[in-house]
Amino acid sequence: SAVISQKPSRDICQRGTSLTIQCQVDSQVTMMFWYRQQPGQSLTLIATANQGSEATYESGFVIDKFPISRPNLTFSTLTVSNMSPEDSSIYLCSVGGLAGSYEQYFGPGTRLTVT
Amino acid sequence: GQQVMQIPQYQHVQEGEDFTTYCNSSTTLSNIQWYKQRPGGHPVFLIQLVKSGEVKKQKRLTFQFGEAKKNSSLHITATQTTDVGTYFCAQNTGNQFYFGTGTSLTVIP
Repeated sequence: SAVISQKPSRDICQRGTSLTIQCQVDSQVTMMFWYRQQPGQSLTLIATANQGSEATYESGFVIDKFPISRPNLTFSTLTVSNMSPEDSSIYLCSVGGLAGSYEQYFGPGTRLTVT
Repeated sequence: GQQVMQIPQYQHVQEGEDFTTYCNSSTTLSNIQWYKQRPGGHPVFLIQLVKSGEVKKQKRLTFQFGEAKKNSSLHITATQTTDVGTYFCAQNTGNQFYFGTGTSLTVIP
């Protein structure tokens, strides 16, 4: 298993500003992902964070809006840029591929409110 | 992105009753995972199914993968209040993971 921490745990931001969310893992992992989960909804994959290269984004998500960094195998950041109230959501990072399994371990999430 | 449909969306049961959630896909799945998310929490991995017709048990939870690998189910016997939460199935295509729509379970004491 893996222990994942996220910072901040929550934030209230003004529209037009940007917020960077950090994800730290206690061990080196191959796969790291960023998800968005709106209240009462399922998880939507934003992108796969690739170490040493550009992230792979899902349909509907673009790098200009959600730039992602992954400088090493234990750390990643997701920035929510030029925020609007529609970006209010919980953002979760997860890791997978440990010991060749597909199971994922999730961080505690960042609850973002944009006013 | 892809999404797997789950039914029902919501389920209220009396404590002690059984509960089942179903996960359906229009395409053949290579594998399926199940997760539980408690209110206010993050998803926690429960199990992974890989083989056609596979059945796995965890105490009162029984997980099944369909013969055609297009559907899966999670059955809880004699629910307890600790079973409250949303249950998600998830499938992966390569290194990309897609979560089902989820079933929210409420257990009435």
